[in-house]
Amino acid sequence: QKEVEQDPGPLSVPEGAIVSLNCTYSNSAFQYFMWYRQYSRKGPELLMYTYSSGNKEDGRFTAQVDKSSKYISLFIRDSQPSDSATYLCAMKGFNKFYFGSGTKLNVKP
Amino acid sequence: DAGITQSPRHKVTETGTPVTLRCHQTENHRYMYWYRQDPGHGLRLIHYSYGVKDTDKGEVSDGYSVSRSKTEDFLLTLESATSSQTSVYFCAISERDRWDTGELFFGEGSRLTVL
Repeated sequence: QKEVEQDPGPLSVPEGAIVSLNCTYSNSAFQYFMWYRQYSRKGPELLMYTYSSGNKEDGRFTAQVDKSSKYISLFIRDSQPSDSATYLCAMKGFNKFYFGSGTKLNVKP
Repeated sequence: DAGITQSPRHKVTETGTPVTLRCHQTENHRYMYWYRQDPGHGLRLIHYSYGVKDTDKGEVSDGYSVSRSKTEDFLLTLESATSSQTSVYFCAISERDRWDTGELFFGEGSRLTVL
């Protein structure tokens, strides 16, 4: 079983839609949760991070962590074509980062 | 942007030849990582370093070795490249604060093709 599972998509939505991206994980020791955005032929860049459970909002982006269900989500409101990218969830456990396989998102104008 | 430079950015080589990828950072971060990214597998950790001359294996370390003689440089070596090592390789750095947090910052990637 992989440490982190993520639906690879691809996910195609119209501009302005609300997007929901999700990951599940198996290690209950994970405390630090991240979302990375990766544009084509670029390195991943940190989008949001959350420590332990709860919600965090940054502009159009909201990250949620439910540790009881081992489930994390990223919501994108009013999605834009510039949001088209691959989104990777990640978790940290003692010096190591564990990544999902990424969900490819396409926002159509 | 975090100061991470990977070289070379692109390389084509033949099976059986040695290859070295270099990662250079200007952030003075303690931790450095090498990942490979392949379709359907996402990012997989090859090796990481937690200080000068201190390294450890990741989940896909077979066929790879690393060295870190200076804080700023982390080298990944394929002693005898195979076609299965065709991939995009990313270097990443992080620092660990007293809450054991610390984001991971990535380089631009090195695209390696082994013929």
